[in-house]
Amino acid sequence: AQSVTQLDSQVPVFEEAPVELRCNYSSSVSVYLFWYVQYPNQGLQLLLKYLSGSTLVKGINGFEAEFNKSQTSFHLRKPSVHISDTAEYFCAVIPFSGNTPLVFGKGTRLSVIA
Amino acid sequence: NAGVTQTPKFQVLKTGQSMTLQCAQDMNHNSMYWYRQDPGMGLRLIYYSASEGTTDKGEVPDGYNVSRLKKQNFLLGLESAAPSQTSVYFCASSSSLTSASYEQYFGPGTRLTVT
Repeated sequence: AQSVTQLDSQVPVFEEAPVELRCNYSSSVSVYLFWYVQYPNQGLQLLLKYLSGSTLVKGINGFEAEFNKSQTSFHLRKPSVHISDTAEYFCAVIPFSGNTPLVFGKGTRLSVIA
Repeated sequence: NAGVTQTPKFQVLKTGQSMTLQCAQDMNHNSMYWYRQDPGMGLRLIYYSASEGTTDKGEVPDGYNVSRLKKQNFLLGLESAAPSQTSVYFCASSSSLTSASYEQYFGPGTRLTVT
């Protein structure tokens, strides 16, 4: 079975400052990794995903994440945040094989302060 | 192209009442999912359907039932609503459970309050 731990439930950050949202996972098999974003009063949408290849993945809105297999981490970063980045961010994993759905972390609420 | 739609957007029920949440997708996806979202709990999978006519339990299935009679529709039923079922419910769909380009598409949610 897979599990996802998002180490921070809330992250406040000033506008134009950098941010890192942390995600660690546990799995006995290889996994695909995802970050989803949920803006206030909306459903989730895909921010970026790691399937294979380069461990640095770029997504929408200037976000990027780095897959670290040895540390089983997939941290999300942005060099300069905007007010519009205020949202909840979810890390998720799914095994390469098998018939099990995505497993989500509990989410990190990013609040950007003007 | 509407993507994933959910009805209703809001619902208030009294304890013991029953209702069905409706989800439809127009992307010809094989797999569909129902989640509930509660503060501090993230998203928890209630039921999922890998393909038309099949359903499986997720993490928190008690008190719910589902139906996937048509490929484009996935219904979530509450047999006898309880205050613990007050939550925001999200439906999602994906091309399959195991596609290498896997991505789930989410609906806008249904906010349910049980008094």
